[in-house]
Amino acid sequence: DAKTTQPTSMDCAEGRAANLPCNHSTISGNEYVYWYRQIHSQGPQYIIHGLKNNETNEMASLIITEDRKSSTLILPHATLRDTAVYYCIVRPRGAGNNRKLIWGLGTSLAVNP
Amino acid sequence: GAVVSQHPSRVICKSGTSVKIECRSLDFQATTMFWYRQFPKQSLMLMATSNEGSKATYEQGVEKDKFLINHASLTLSTLTVTSAHPEDSSFYICSADRGSEAFFGQGTRLTVV
Repeated sequence: DAKTTQPTSMDCAEGRAANLPCNHSTISGNEYVYWYRQIHSQGPQYIIHGLKNNETNEMASLIITEDRKSSTLILPHATLRDTAVYYCIVRPRGAGNNRKLIWGLGTSLAVNP
Repeated sequence: GAVVSQHPSRVICKSGTSVKIECRSLDFQATTMFWYRQFPKQSLMLMATSNEGSKATYEQGVEKDKFLINHASLTLSTLTVTSAHPEDSSFYICSADRGSEAFFGQGTRLTVV
């Protein structure tokens, strides 16, 4: 079973920030929070990951609470092309089979014009 | 650009025939690759972990004789769906780790008629 819970769906207006929450209350100390998205009929795309500090890259920002039990992915200026299913996954760092990803149902984000 | 290439993107086959799907890591070596299956409106389900030079590790409930995995080189893993049936129709996705990130192929839409 997935170790994360996310809202099933969200809407966002084009140009506004999209804030996608994720709960991972059972996260272990060696587990990172990863975010991926999947546009319809395509393979998932990596967005960002973090351990305990907030992270930012060209796609998004990741805010992790101090207790690490939840996080928020922020798309600062959502566009229509950001419409996708967003997955939050916890995963230990390192190589090998223990790094296999367990996927939940994710959040279906609809960006509206 | 893509770092994991999957081929073909779409395939239609007759019931009872076999279909091979290729997954290649581009410009990096992948000792481990992962194969997923995704049914409509569902999340990705891990089928098996492909290990270069050794046998694949299958998830519970996945028939290893039906879904043959070969990982003969550090850049190529193949999944062969043998004696395909309509219930095998699905979206198949591979992934490979480069460093701490997982990269995904474009996916293969298999339709068995």
